[in-house]
Amino acid sequence: GAVVSQHPSWVICKSGTSVKIECRSLDFQATTMFWYRQFPKQSLMLMATSNEGSKATYEQGVEKDKFLINHASLTLSTLTVTSAHPEDSSFYICSASPQSNTIYFGEGSWLTVV
Amino acid sequence: RKEVEQDPGPFNVPEGATVAFNCTYSNSASQSFFWYRQDCRKEPKLLMSVYSSGNEDGRFTAQLNRASQYISLLIRDSKLSDSATYLCVVNIRTGNQFYFGTGTSLTVIP
Repeated sequence: GAVVSQHPSWVICKSGTSVKIECRSLDFQATTMFWYRQFPKQSLMLMATSNEGSKATYEQGVEKDKFLINHASLTLSTLTVTSAHPEDSSFYICSASPQSNTIYFGEGSWLTVV
Repeated sequence: RKEVEQDPGPFNVPEGATVAFNCTYSNSASQSFFWYRQDCRKEPKLLMSVYSSGNEDGRFTAQLNRASQYISLLIRDSKLSDSATYLCVVNIRTGNQFYFGTGTSLTVIP
């Protein structure tokens, strides 16, 4: 079964609205979770590192005010795409690692902004 | 220089062929190494970890060369179902850092 669960799997929203994606670690506590974006036929791109109880660390070029990350508990991180635009349409994936052993990915969330 | 370098391919091979992918890493402090498989429109899933002594799982063999700082994945007797993107992942334990290759696309042709 899934070790990291992501919700929703698919979401369609209107341009200008905000969308929240949840990432949960099911069998372990994760002080750190990672958020990625992947465009079709391209590689995973790390967007930010989500840190429980503190601010997320964003990669260069990723707007922190547009991609709000909240890691309020040891098992849940959320990514909110604010004022979404069609160019934000992408596959968003989260990941988490139990004890630095290996890394597990959520099932991913397909976002389509119309 | 990127932490992890991987040939993106694509690799197009006939069924039954043997194919190998390499992945180089730049940080000598890297601790753990993995190969992931990503199918189209799906999340990456762990294929196998890579151990210092090398390890094999059926048709798949993973090897680590610390001196030259690369890992490899060998697939023997390729099946159509092996078509996917293969990602190498390197863990630098300090700070719980994971670094990804860009992925190598493999298509096995009938």
